[in-house]
Amino acid sequence: AQTVTQSQPEMSVQEAETVTLSCTYDTSENNYYLFWYKQPPSRQMILVIRQEAYKQQNATENRFSVNFQKAAKSFSLKISDSQLGDTAMYFCAFMNPPNFGNEKLTFGTGTRLTIIP
Amino acid sequence: EAGVTQFPSHSVIEKGQTVTLRCDPISGHDNLYWYRRVMGKEIKFLLHFVKESKQDESGMPNNRFLAERTGGTYSTLKVQPAELEDSGVYFCASSPLSSGGARNEQFFGPGTRLTVL
Repeated sequence: AQTVTQSQPEMSVQEAETVTLSCTYDTSENNYYLFWYKQPPSRQMILVIRQEAYKQQNATENRFSVNFQKAAKSFSLKISDSQLGDTAMYFCAFMNPPNFGNEKLTFGTGTRLTIIP
Repeated sequence: EAGVTQFPSHSVIEKGQTVTLRCDPISGHDNLYWYRRVMGKEIKFLLHFVKESKQDESGMPNNRFLAERTGGTYSTLKVQPAELEDSGVYFCASSPLSSGGARNEQFFGPGTRLTVL
C-alpha cells in the first residue's frame, strides 16, 4: 500500500520569504500522480499543483513549484515570495493513474503553514 | 459553476445516535469520493462512487457506515449507531470521468465536522 509522509507538522515564515514543505512517499508503482492541496482556515481544500511521475520536468504554478525526486520518492513544495493568503494547511497526496482502476487519494498528515506579516 | 457542497457543516450527536451526511457534487461529475480526517491525523479514503455504483469501498471502517448515491447525483453517508471514534471531518470530493489520465483533479467540499459525545 502507498504511504505519504509529511514530517513538518507546523512551519512559519516571514511574508515575502521562500518556504519549502517536504513530502516523501512509498510506492512500488512506476507511474502515478502527486498533488499538493491547500486548505485555508475555514475554507475548502483546493489543488495547488500536480506532478505526473513520468514527467521529469518539475511542475510550476506561478509562485508554487515542486522538487520531484523520483528515485528518492520525494516531492517537496516550494512557495516563493510568500503572501499572507498562503497561510493554510498543506496536504501532500498520491494517486495511482486513473486507468489503474483506483483513483483514491492517499494523503499525508499535513503541514500547517503560517505566514507572518 | 457551483462547487461541491456538503450538509450539515457541523453535527454534534450522542453516542448511539444516527447521523446522515449529504454531499452534492459538481454537476456532471460522475466520480464522487468520501474521505475522513480524524483530529491530527491524515485524511483517509472511505469510498468511491462512479455514478450510482460503488467502485471502491475499501476504506469504509465497518458496517455502521452506509453510503448511497441514488440516481448518480448527490450522495449520503449514514453512520448508525455512531461511536466516539467516528468524530472527525468528513470530506466529499468529485471529479469528471478521466480520459487517458487527464482531468484527475478532485474538487473538495468544505467538509462536515462530526462530533460524537
